[in-house]
Amino acid sequence: KAGVTQTPRYLIKTRGQQVTLSCSPISGHRSVSWYQQTPGQGLQFLFEYFSETQRNKGNFPGRFSGRQFSNSRSEMNVSTLELGDSALYLCASSLDSGSGELFFGEGSRLTVL
Amino acid sequence: EDQVTQSPEALRLQEGESSSLNCSYTVSGLRGLFWYRQDPGKGPEFLFTLYSAGEEKEKERLKATLTKKESFLHITAPKPEDSATYLCAVQDSNYQLIWGAGTKLIIKP
Repeated sequence: KAGVTQTPRYLIKTRGQQVTLSCSPISGHRSVSWYQQTPGQGLQFLFEYFSETQRNKGNFPGRFSGRQFSNSRSEMNVSTLELGDSALYLCASSLDSGSGELFFGEGSRLTVL
Repeated sequence: EDQVTQSPEALRLQEGESSSLNCSYTVSGLRGLFWYRQDPGKGPEFLFTLYSAGEEKEKERLKATLTKKESFLHITAPKPEDSATYLCAVQDSNYQLIWGAGTKLIIKP
């Protein structure tokens, strides 16, 4: 069974640009959550999508957005990038919404210059 | 305020030297406590779920236990491949996950 797939794995952007990250969950998993991980802040919850609806949202500015498609694949977008957005962005899937048993992808490493 | 604190921040052990990692928490209405392992440059990997005080789970050299205020991850006779960062997360009554900062475990051969 294929795991969670995130693309791209690495990307470099400059301040002010925008970025879109993609996540394909495990087959049959309907919930997708996004996290930001930095050395100083650890894992920070961005949002969760289930059946194409945003179920929960963390404390991030509106520059961070996401969506989920009918096949459960998800994308997140960050607009007007800032230096502080440099981080590892992790996608996690689970069978149901609100589960603590998450299956993470390997992440997308974003560097903002 | 819900909070999860992991200690120590880092732990260096010799191969075969058993020890424990701690995850202490304050949360309203614990729904579950979860342990994850994270290798450098990779996403966390789910290890265990604990739901109630007194519960224990085991997997190879790892055993997780839970009390009303904390959880321990016991590592018995560790090997170098057990080196990783171990993360603890608790789920509150609103199904929100609160993550600890992790313990970086280094096992020297």
